Amino acid sequence: SQQGEEDPQALSIQEGENATMNCSYKTSINNLQWYRQNSGRGLVHLILIRSNEREKHSGRLRVTLDTSKKSSSLLITASRAADTASYFCATVRYGQNFVFGPGTRLSVLP
Amino acid sequence: GAGVSQSPSNKVTEKGKDVELRCDPISGHTALYWYRQSLGQGLEFLIYFQGNSAPDKSGLPSDRFSAERTGGSVSTLTIQRTQQEDSAVYLCASSLIGGEGGAFFGQGTRLTVV
Repeated sequence: SQQGEEDPQALSIQEGENATMNCSYKTSINNLQWYRQNSGRGLVHLILIRSNEREKHSGRLRVTLDTSKKSSSLLITASRAADTASYFCATVRYGQNFVFGPGTRLSVLP
Repeated sequence: GAGVSQSPSNKVTEKGKDVELRCDPISGHTALYWYRQSLGQGLEFLIYFQGNSAPDKSGLPSDRFSAERTGGSVSTLTIQRTQQEDSAVYLCASSLIGGEGGAFFGQGTRLTVV
């Protein structure tokens, strides 16, 4: 079944603004991860948040996790044109494959 | 190697031919995953290897698809009698057990079936 569904599907903002993407999932998880993809090729791991954590920061990235609502959000602050990419959340259950959502296409306009 | 390596980068094949896609994971990563991605779409899970356990093949779309992982390292994804709907980017990733530290992806193989 589909897990890790992001919204919005597409987001367009001006450079310097903040971008927020959301992810919802259906089953219990061990951790949730966010990835970035440029030009439809390999994904790059951005940040991991465990099921017992509520918030995590890495540079301009802030991730929250609400296991009661089975949802997560990724906030990119002070966005740059170079942040333009597709962003995917992935849910992980120990010993199982990563389940990716359909992604959010972010466009940051200079 | 320093990262996950996939070959070839691009493959154009005629409908009905067989193709083999190769993935060389990061040394020490016990988990290896294959996904495919159609243009503008999300990642579709194909198969997952974890150590010496039986692979999770639940994502393979048909019996034309198979994969093996030799010696717990290199993996080969084989597509027999290719069809046009098989055209996609095939992505391989590896990770430590439980996905700790995240999955590391190769740059993918773009398969075009003509």
